[in-house]
Amino acid sequence: EAGVAQSPRYKIIEKRQSVAFWCNPISGHATLYWYQQILGQGPKLLIQFQNNGVVDDSQLPKDRFSAERLKGVDSTLKIQPAKLEDSAVYLCASSSSRQGSSYEQYFGPGTRLTVT
Amino acid sequence: QQQVKQSPQSLIVQKGGISIINCAYENTAFDYFPWYQQFPGKGPALLIAIRPDVSEKKEGRFTISFNKSAKQFSLHIMDSQPGDSATYFCAAREGKLTFGQGTILTVHP
Repeated sequence: EAGVAQSPRYKIIEKRQSVAFWCNPISGHATLYWYQQILGQGPKLLIQFQNNGVVDDSQLPKDRFSAERLKGVDSTLKIQPAKLEDSAVYLCASSSSRQGSSYEQYFGPGTRLTVT
Repeated sequence: QQQVKQSPQSLIVQKGGISIINCAYENTAFDYFPWYQQFPGKGPALLIAIRPDVSEKKEGRFTISFNKSAKQFSLHIMDSQPGDSATYFCAAREGKLTFGQGTILTVHP
């Protein structure tokens, strides 16, 4: 079974520029998550999708961050404009919503963003 | 903000020793407590998890001990190996996962 795919793996941009990250979840997983992991901290949930609907985006800085999951499969996370404090690893995860599943979240390798 | 407090921040253990990482929480609505292992350049991977109606769960060399009354849970790694060197995160779920700050484990050969 293929894992969660993310691209790019690394991105360096200047502040005030925009950037987009892409995620392809495990096939058949209805739930998709975007996390922000700042160096030395645990992942923090930014947004959770169930199919193509948003379940939780309470911690997403909506003035600069946006995310979409068209057709309920892959997803993009965008930052516009970027700030220095956005430097972090952006992790995508997915989980199955089938009844009786463990709801285990499977994480991708992440995209390391550096804002200069 | 719901928090999960993890300690220690870093841990050095000799090969064959026992590694112990502790977490504490306040929210009694948490219903699932997983531990994740993360290697450099990789995403976190589920290691072992426990529900609050169980006091202990063991999978191979990894054991979770759960104390519901104290609102604490811990990860024990028996016979620690250099390959266990990684960052470990505890987490707790109420709808969504809240992660601890992480523990960097180094196992010396």
